[in-house]
Amino acid sequence: EAGVAQSPRYKIIEKRQSVAFWCNPISGHATLYWYQQILGQGPKLLIQFQNNGVVDDSQLPKDRFSAERLKGVDSTLKIQPAKLEDSAVYLCASKAVTANTGELFFGEGSRLTVL
Amino acid sequence: AQSVTQLGSHVSVSEGALVLLRCNYSSSVPPYLFWYVQYPNQGLQLLLKYTSAATLVKGINGFEAEFKKSETSFHLTKPSAHMSDAAEYFCAVSVSGTGTASKLTFGTGTRLQVML
Repeated sequence: EAGVAQSPRYKIIEKRQSVAFWCNPISGHATLYWYQQILGQGPKLLIQFQNNGVVDDSQLPKDRFSAERLKGVDSTLKIQPAKLEDSAVYLCASKAVTANTGELFFGEGSRLTVL
Repeated sequence: AQSVTQLGSHVSVSEGALVLLRCNYSSSVPPYLFWYVQYPNQGLQLLLKYTSAATLVKGINGFEAEFKKSETSFHLTKPSAHMSDAAEYFCAVSVSGTGTASKLTFGTGTRLQVML
């Protein structure tokens, strides 16, 4: 079974530029999450989708971050304009909606460096 | 809202020694608890999980954890450390249900160093 796919793995941009990350979850997983992991910290939830609807985006800085999951499968996370403090690893995770025990499957992450 | 606290951002042990990584949780309802491991430049991999069945949970790579409600703890242990165990370990909590309840809330992580 293929895991969660993310791209690009690494991205370096200058502040005020824009960037987009892509995630393809495990086939059949209805729930998709984007987490931000700043160096030395634990992952922090940015947004949670169930199918193509947003369940929780309370921690998403909506003035610069946006995310979509138009067809309920893959998802894109965009940052525009980027700030220095957005340097982090962006982790995508997915979960089968029937898995009530909360186990998430993670991709390898997209590492963003903002100069 | 639920949360976890990991005591010790860095733990160093000798190869063959006992590994003990500490995690305490806070939750107003019965929690689900998880330990994830993260190797350099990789995503998070599930080590083990507690989902209200047996309080002593065995995971991969010889790790285990015990859920202690009276102490609100879920410490991770391994009897004998191996060099390959060097990684970042995260404790996480969620609660039963779908929607926002299904999200994982992570601790700040503990970096395990294994010395020869």
